[in-house]
Amino acid sequence: AQSVTQLGSHVSVSEGALVLLRCNYSSSVPPYLFWYVQYPNQGLQLLLKYTTGATLVKGINGFEAEFKKSETSFHLTKPSAHMSDAAEYFCAVDSSNTGKLIFGQGTTLQVKP
Amino acid sequence: GAGVSQSPSNKVTEKGKDVELRCDPISGHTALYWYRQSLGQGLEFLIYFQGNSAPDKSGLPSDRFSAERTGGSVSTLTIQRTQQEDSAVYLCASSLTSGGGETQYFGPGTRLLVL
Repeated sequence: AQSVTQLGSHVSVSEGALVLLRCNYSSSVPPYLFWYVQYPNQGLQLLLKYTTGATLVKGINGFEAEFKKSETSFHLTKPSAHMSDAAEYFCAVDSSNTGKLIFGQGTTLQVKP
Repeated sequence: GAGVSQSPSNKVTEKGKDVELRCDPISGHTALYWYRQSLGQGLEFLIYFQGNSAPDKSGLPSDRFSAERTGGSVSTLTIQRTQQEDSAVYLCASSLTSGGGETQYFGPGTRLLVL
């Protein structure tokens, strides 16, 4: 069965510091991988996704993620955090090719001034 | 263009009552998904529709939950005899097609509180 694990339900960084949000997945077939962001009282917004091809994926707002098959990981990074990055981040996988997304538990990112 | 819209934005109901939640997907999107977001369970898939195919209901938690999609557009999620554990945010998403890594666009959700 598919599953997604996000290490750390809360991550706190200083403004300008590196952001690293971890995501590991289990899948018996090469999956499609997604990172979504949810701002307070809003729906989910796609940050980036991996489908095929280049394993380093760039998304909106300066975020990027690298698909590492050998490590079954898809960690999200941003070189320099901004206050506006404070939100909840969800990693998701679709390995059934149906669009049915399996989500991780989410990581709340706090950015300190 | 317009995004995915959901109504109502908030719903408070009494235990045992039925509720209907509505989703208007992005025009032209053939796939529509329902998810539930709750404190204890995180984000869970409920059901999805793809075109005129039979819906995939594998995520529905009980037979009190049902959904339909009329004319390949608007969808209604119905919860019968609501229970307190049904309290959650119900999210709808649509995509151009299903699978293949297609991006799903989410609505703002309906926050359901069962008293």
